[in-house]
Amino acid sequence: QKEVEQNSGPLSVPEGAIASLNCTYSDRGSQSFFWYRQYSGKSPELIMSIYSNGDKEDGRFTAQLNKASQYVSLLIRDSQPSDSATYLCAVRGSGGYQKVTFGTGTKLQVIP
Amino acid sequence: EAQVTQNPRYLITVTGKKLTVTCSQNMNHEYMSWYRQDPGLGLRQIYYSMNVEVTDKGDVPEGYKVSRKEKRNFPLILESPSPNQTSLYFCASSPPGATSYEQYFGPGTRLTVT
Repeated sequence: QKEVEQNSGPLSVPEGAIASLNCTYSDRGSQSFFWYRQYSGKSPELIMSIYSNGDKEDGRFTAQLNKASQYVSLLIRDSQPSDSATYLCAVRGSGGYQKVTFGTGTKLQVIP
Repeated sequence: EAQVTQNPRYLITVTGKKLTVTCSQNMNHEYMSWYRQDPGLGLRQIYYSMNVEVTDKGDVPEGYKVSRKEKRNFPLILESPSPNQTSLYFCASSPPGATSYEQYFGPGTRLTVT
């Protein structure tokens, strides 16, 4: 079982719709959760971090965390073509040095 | 401007020729890390450093060395590169405290070993 799992996609949504990106993780003691956006050929860019159960909103982005289900999601409202990118889920685990493990990413395509 | 810089951005080399990829950050971050990114495998951590003179192995350290003699610099050394080290490399840094592990990435170094 992978430590952090994401559907590779592509996830295609029409412009203006809500894009829902999902991530599951295996380490029940994980403490911190991050979403990064990576455009093709570019470096990952942090867009959201979430540390406690529930929802966290920042502009058009909402991160949702459910530790009991070991599940974290990212909602993008009013999706724009500029949101087309690969979204990486990252989880800080409970191991000795508390490393951050990345999922392989979900490719999002927003269709104009 | 707060940033993480890497050099070179692109490098083509031959098997066995030692190389160093530099990484520098100007944000006074304590935590720094190196990743490689390969298709289908995602970002995998090579080495990380919690502070000056404190480094440790990540998931894929074989064939790599690092050093942390200054807070701002964290070079990645490939003593004898091999073709399986052809990859896209990213350096990242994180601030201390409550937002630790929110990582800021450099622009990447695309390495080809022939």
